[in-house]
Amino acid sequence: AQSVTQLDSHVSVSEGTPVLLRCNYSSSYSPSLFWYVQHPNKGLQLLLKYTSAATLVKGINGFEAEFKKSETSFHLTKPSAHMSDAAEYFCVVIETSGSRLTFGEGTQLTVNP
Amino acid sequence: SAVISQKPSRDICQRGTSLTIQCQVDSQVTMMFWYRQQPGQSLTLIATANQGSEATYESGFVIDKFPISRPNLTFSTLTVSNMSPEDSSIYLCSASARDFTEAFFGQGTRLTVV
Repeated sequence: AQSVTQLDSHVSVSEGTPVLLRCNYSSSYSPSLFWYVQHPNKGLQLLLKYTSAATLVKGINGFEAEFKKSETSFHLTKPSAHMSDAAEYFCVVIETSGSRLTFGEGTQLTVNP
Repeated sequence: SAVISQKPSRDICQRGTSLTIQCQVDSQVTMMFWYRQQPGQSLTLIATANQGSEATYESGFVIDKFPISRPNLTFSTLTVSNMSPEDSSIYLCSASARDFTEAFFGQGTRLTVV
């Protein structure tokens, strides 16, 4: 069985400071991992994905994430937060042998001026 | 990539009535799914929409309450039947290829039941 845990339900940062959104996963098989962002009243947008290639994955809007198998983690980072980054972020796992996505509970990112 | 059009984008419905949500994908995809996102919560998978056969429902969801159709590779509908205020949620359609290198989502249907 697969599962994903987002360690923080809310993260608040100041504009221009680094962002760290934490995600740990559990999977019986080699997983694919994703980060999605959901802005208020908008659909889900893919930020980045890991599918067993390079462990450091770069996504859109300056976000990146590193897959660490030994720590079963896939944390999302950004060097400098922008006001437009304020949104809900979801870590998602799927086993390559399976057929369903499992969503984390989400992390609400607030960016303060 | 795939673009998913979902409608209606929102609706306010009377309790006891039913609402059908439509999902159209602009390319042929292997897998289509329906999710529910209750206020302030994450996404929960309702069912996998199978082309030409009955949908595969997750635990806690039943066909009588959430009938799903998928007549072809690019179109699916979800009906929320005999609605109650507890059904007020965002309902999202999703699609992906079998290799799951990416899942695409519709904009969602924001349903309020009064």
